[in-house]
Amino acid sequence: GAVVSQHPSWVICKSGTSVKIECRSLDFQATTMFWYRQFPKQSLMLMATSNEGSKATYEQGVEKDKFLINHASLTLSTLTVTSAHPEDSSFYICSANGGSYEQYFGPGTRLTVT
Amino acid sequence: GDSVTQMEGPVTLSEEAFLTINCTYTATGYPSLFWYVQYPGEGLQLLLKATKADDKGSNKGFEATYRKETTSFHLEKGSVQVSDSAVYFCALRGQGGSEKLVFGKGTKLTVNP
Repeated sequence: GAVVSQHPSWVICKSGTSVKIECRSLDFQATTMFWYRQFPKQSLMLMATSNEGSKATYEQGVEKDKFLINHASLTLSTLTVTSAHPEDSSFYICSANGGSYEQYFGPGTRLTVT
Repeated sequence: GDSVTQMEGPVTLSEEAFLTINCTYTATGYPSLFWYVQYPGEGLQLLLKATKADDKGSNKGFEATYRKETTSFHLEKGSVQVSDSAVYFCALRGQGGSEKLVFGKGTKLTVNP
């Protein structure tokens, strides 16, 4: 089946630094990828939709200058959390559209900002 | 806007017990409905789906029926196994070809031997 990977699976960074999370579709090409944020005991909240070769579309309330998304190829999208603060600590999940509108999800990245 | 409400967990059952996880939705028109499962340490996987009213999605012994009149998509399984322990998410995709998914909060299921 379609596999999506994320790297790293867990990252700790200091407040004020930036951290990059990668999302890769391993065995298929994805023109569209999605980035979600999940708080403990909360649902997944869509942050942005990433289309290969174009700017990401951010959901209302998501700071595009803080959460930089790049979808440079059909198999890779990256999320960079810039100038991270403790309130950015969360679980970030990506998914990739494998066709027929079915989304395949990565295992998630836990970000802890100290 | 569109929203999904699913029963709060956690749910703890003994092996071979009957499972129901309630899910209701709010959306205009006829959304597509999904159940995803997340096993420990893994990404969400599509468990089953239904795209129109009265459709029944089924997979691995799990079933859910798209009920337009009650705006519900409850997940059921007649006899759960320890291996079913996971977090279950109900989700919808709005009518009109949108790719966006709206998720419920998830329900953690633990099945004891």
